[in-house]
Amino acid sequence: SQTIHQWPATLVQPVGSPLSLECTVEGTSNPNLYWYRQAAGRGLQLLFYSVGIGQISSEVPQNLSASRPQDRQFILSSKKLLLSDSGFYLCAWTILGTSGRAYENEQFFGPGTRLTVL
Amino acid sequence: QKEVEQDPGPLSVPEGAIVSLNCTYSNSAFQYFMWYRQYSRKGPELLMYTYSSGNKEDGRFTAQVDKSSKYISLFIRDSQPSDSATYLCAMSRIKAAGNKLTFGGGTRVLVKP
Repeated sequence: SQTIHQWPATLVQPVGSPLSLECTVEGTSNPNLYWYRQAAGRGLQLLFYSVGIGQISSEVPQNLSASRPQDRQFILSSKKLLLSDSGFYLCAWTILGTSGRAYENEQFFGPGTRLTVL
Repeated sequence: QKEVEQDPGPLSVPEGAIVSLNCTYSNSAFQYFMWYRQYSRKGPELLMYTYSSGNKEDGRFTAQVDKSSKYISLFIRDSQPSDSATYLCAMSRIKAAGNKLTFGGGTRVLVKP
């Protein structure tokens, strides 16, 4: 079975400090990977997605960046955090099916990292 | 106007009642529809998945899709306090770039014992 891990679970960082959040997936190969941010009481905002190693698509311009150094590893980074970067960060993956297969779009989420920037 | 609209709630019901949730959307290209449940401080978990129009039932959960009205629903029968959570709808086009999903803002549900 497939599992997804995120760490750390919680993080408190000062403004201007760097950030590195890691996500790994087990039990599948060549998944699509996604980073979302969820502000308190709000919906999910897609930040980045990746369809393969080294392939990153950015959805929202900001001071965050993402990298995929290995097939099942996805990293979210920042050189200098802002107060507005506080939120709940979620990593998700989806399996790739052949064209038209229903489960192609299902996304499965990790446990999340709660980031507080002070 | 957002592509997917969802009433934020909270929706408060007594235990045993039917919970009725819905989302409206504007993009007629959406073909895949999902409902996620998210407990506080946890990642969302997939509850129901439907393709195109129609109904789908899984235990106490029923998902309905009305593409002509651009309206989807989730019904929870015999609600339990453990059903208290935020419910997110999500949808996608066929062959969407990166298989991306578009989410509603979520509806918070409270089931009171």
